[in-house]
Amino acid sequence: KQEVTQIPAALSVPEGENLVLNCSFTDSAIYNLQWFRQDPGKGLTSLLLIQSSQREQTSGRLNASLDKSSGRSTLYIAASQPGDSATYLCAVSFGGGGADGLTFGKGTHLIIQP
Amino acid sequence: DAGVIQSPRHEVTEMGQEVTLRCKPISGHDYLFWYRQTMMRGLELLIYFNNNVPIDDSGMPEDRFSAKMPNASFSTLKIQPSEPRDSAVYFCASRAWGNQPQHFGDGTRLSIL
Repeated sequence: KQEVTQIPAALSVPEGENLVLNCSFTDSAIYNLQWFRQDPGKGLTSLLLIQSSQREQTSGRLNASLDKSSGRSTLYIAASQPGDSATYLCAVSFGGGGADGLTFGKGTHLIIQP
Repeated sequence: DAGVIQSPRHEVTEMGQEVTLRCKPISGHDYLFWYRQTMMRGLELLIYFNNNVPIDDSGMPEDRFSAKMPNASFSTLKIQPSEPRDSAVYFCASRAWGNQPQHFGDGTRLSIL
């Protein structure tokens, strides 16, 4: 069974710091990997999608990397802000052709202290 | 452009009652997914459709759960009879064809008393 693990489960840092969230997965035969943000009581907001053939994707202060061979992805957040406080979820599509649903990690609960 | 729309946002009902959750995907998306989120198990895929056809329902926990997609703009997830352990947040998501991100609705928070 494919599994996705996120470390740490929770993280609290002062505003302005750069930080890295980690995601690992058990099967390197992935189709793509997606990072989401979830605010309390809300749905999931897609942040970045990395295709299996890509090594990284960037959007503003966010950079996601993918190393298929080691089964790892990282989400780098530069110059963190209190508005970045949320739960960040890593999700992997293991299906051939990308047709399968996503397998999610349990998330990293991030708090940025003002 | 409207996102994925789910209704109701909250549902509280008594054990044994039938519950119907509804989802309207983003127009033009070929895939529709139903997920369930709990504190213990996180987010889990229940079922997904491609062009209105159910492709994989292996995540549906029991026969009490059923899902339909009668047309490209509407899907339902039904629980009958409901049990307290079905209490969770149920999310619907949709995706366009190809290597595209999934887009999620705001979810339905279901409480079975």
